[in-house]
Amino acid sequence: AQTVTQSQPEMSVQEAETVTLSCTYDTSENNYYLFWYKQPPSRQMILVIRQEAYKQQNATENRFSVNFQKAAKSFSLKISDSQLGDTAMYFCAFMKPAGIRGGATNKLIFGTGTLLAVQP
Amino acid sequence: NAGVTQTPKFQVLKTGQSMTLQCAQDMNHNSMYWYRQDPGMGLRLIYYSASEGTTDKGEVPNGYNVSRLNKREFSLRLESAAPSQTSVYFCASSLWGRPEAFFGQGTRLTVV
Repeated sequence: AQTVTQSQPEMSVQEAETVTLSCTYDTSENNYYLFWYKQPPSRQMILVIRQEAYKQQNATENRFSVNFQKAAKSFSLKISDSQLGDTAMYFCAFMKPAGIRGGATNKLIFGTGTLLAVQP
Repeated sequence: NAGVTQTPKFQVLKTGQSMTLQCAQDMNHNSMYWYRQDPGMGLRLIYYSASEGTTDKGEVPNGYNVSRLNKREFSLRLESAAPSQTSVYFCASSLWGRPEAFFGQGTRLTVV
């Protein structure tokens, strides 16, 4: 069974600084996806960034980037130029993709989350 | 485009009461999911539906039932609520062949 571990329950960063959130996972699969979701106080789950395991290049979305180390099973999120609006709970998630045939599903396995506070 | 809509947003139940959480998506997605979120435990899958007419258990199905009413709607029912079911419940949907899941805004349920 796959597991996802986030070892930092809480983190704090100054506005405009850079912060890195850690995530490790365990799987015997070779093909999978990894995600970072953001959950602000509004409770909405917002997809921040996605990484396909077969891609060596690290994913980047504006100020958000990942460091994907497949052999080490590590998937960290770097937030550059932190903004007050980045204050949120961040969840790392794993998904083993199901095939299209037969109507299979993509079930997510989440870590326990890291609460990030951006200080002014 | 509303995406995934959950009702209600908040609910307080007494132990033993029953209720149904409603979820509807307007993105023509095939698969739908129910997760629960508890402090310190992340989100855990309760039930999912790969397609209209099919449902399967997830990681924590005990105490719940689901119905995939049609392609748009997927409901979660608590037959006899217990304090251990106090949680935030999320519905999500996804399209076959695409990895992204889209979430509703969640329902905060308190069982007293």
